[in-house]
Amino acid sequence: DTGVSQDPRHKITKRGQNVTFRCDPISEHNRLYWYRQTLGQGPEFLTYFQNEAQLEKSRLLSDRFSAERPKGSFSTLEIQRTEQGDSAMYLCASSYGLAFYTGELFFGEGSRLTVL
Amino acid sequence: DAKTTQPTSMDCAEGRAANLPCNHSTISGNEYVYWYRQIHSQGPQYIIHGLKNNETNEMASLIITEDRKSSTLILPHATLRDTAVYYCIVRVAPNTGGFKTIFGAGTRLFVKA
Repeated sequence: DTGVSQDPRHKITKRGQNVTFRCDPISEHNRLYWYRQTLGQGPEFLTYFQNEAQLEKSRLLSDRFSAERPKGSFSTLEIQRTEQGDSAMYLCASSYGLAFYTGELFFGEGSRLTVL
Repeated sequence: DAKTTQPTSMDCAEGRAANLPCNHSTISGNEYVYWYRQIHSQGPQYIIHGLKNNETNEMASLIITEDRKSSTLILPHATLRDTAVYYCIVRVAPNTGGFKTIFGAGTRLFVKA
């Protein structure tokens, strides 16, 4: 399967610990997005990369959150000093960035974080 | 991007058509209507999108009113596997610089046997 893959699928951590999630997008996609989703809510936009450049960050992305996409391929999302409010599903999506692009996002299955 | 209004939940009998409405009265001329769905414990899945003409693909049909202030997603023969949250989104066309897709709370569709 050559879809978007995320790792780990589940992470349980204690408050104050750091966690890192990885996203491998579809190989020919140059755009990559991170979203966060809490129970009963739709996904909330966090940040967006075009190739290795991070072009926008949501105000939801506090200083404890950092995302990278060092070579324009895979991306990591790190949360430092986790808080219980960080418990959520973290979703990664990728897309084409070409002129004829239709706007379709391809999502991974997400990484579920539980902060105790 | 324009905001959308969707019912919180809907029921549909298996084998019948599911008609999911969406209001987007503040939509701009350069904004498209997109539909995604999210089955439990999975990431959202793109279904269909359109500007002003009705669209159909293997998954669904999209009917957009002439004034573009509302639309309806139609699943012609709903199955139990169509039980999911359906999101209606309006956004500018990516080739005009738009890149961000903003999700609302969506409509939770229950398909019943």
